[in-house]
Amino acid sequence: EDQVTQSPEALRLQEGESSSLNCSYTVSGLRGLFWYRQDPGKGPEFLFTLYSAGEEKEKERLKATLTKKESFLHITAPKPEDSATYLCAVRGEISSGSARQLTFGSGTQLTVLP
Amino acid sequence: DTGVSQNPRHKITKRGQNVTFRCDPISEHNRLYWYRQTLGQGPEFLTYFQNEAQLEKSRLLSDRFSAERPKGSFSTLEIQRTEQGDSAMYLCASRSGTGRDTFGSGTRLTVV
Repeated sequence: EDQVTQSPEALRLQEGESSSLNCSYTVSGLRGLFWYRQDPGKGPEFLFTLYSAGEEKEKERLKATLTKKESFLHITAPKPEDSATYLCAVRGEISSGSARQLTFGSGTQLTVLP
Repeated sequence: DTGVSQNPRHKITKRGQNVTFRCDPISEHNRLYWYRQTLGQGPEFLTYFQNEAQLEKSRLLSDRFSAERPKGSFSTLEIQRTEQGDSAMYLCASRSGTGRDTFGSGTRLTVV
């Protein structure tokens, strides 16, 4: 069974204070690791897909990296508008059957203070 | 608007009543997913459609839950005899040919 664990559960940063969010995973045949952003009362919004160890993706102040066991979401010089819950998910080749559904972690709630 | 649309956004119902939610996916996406999300948790998979065929169901989907996708377009999720434990956000997602899932804004169900 695919599993995703995210840490920390919550993170408070001052504006401009860089940090990283962690996503540890176990999956049978990784078909993709996904990062989503979720604002209160809304659905998850796609950020990145990573497929293989060593891969990196960047978008504005966010950078996602992937190893065989973990992914990190690095936030450089965050702004208050980056405050949200960041969700990590995996898609496995074997355990998800034909659906290839996502298995999510519980998320990291990020608050960036001005 | 080319996003995933879900209605209603909020639903308050009394325990024991039936409720139905609707999802309109992105038109060219033939894969459609329903997830449930409770407070402080990530979304959990409920069921999956490829076009009009329901191909996978999670163990979370009790026999009080039923989903349809007539003609492979919009989908509905019905919960019969609602219980307080059904209170959650119900999310719909559709998948592009590149494998990216786009989520709707969800339907927040409160059972009182």
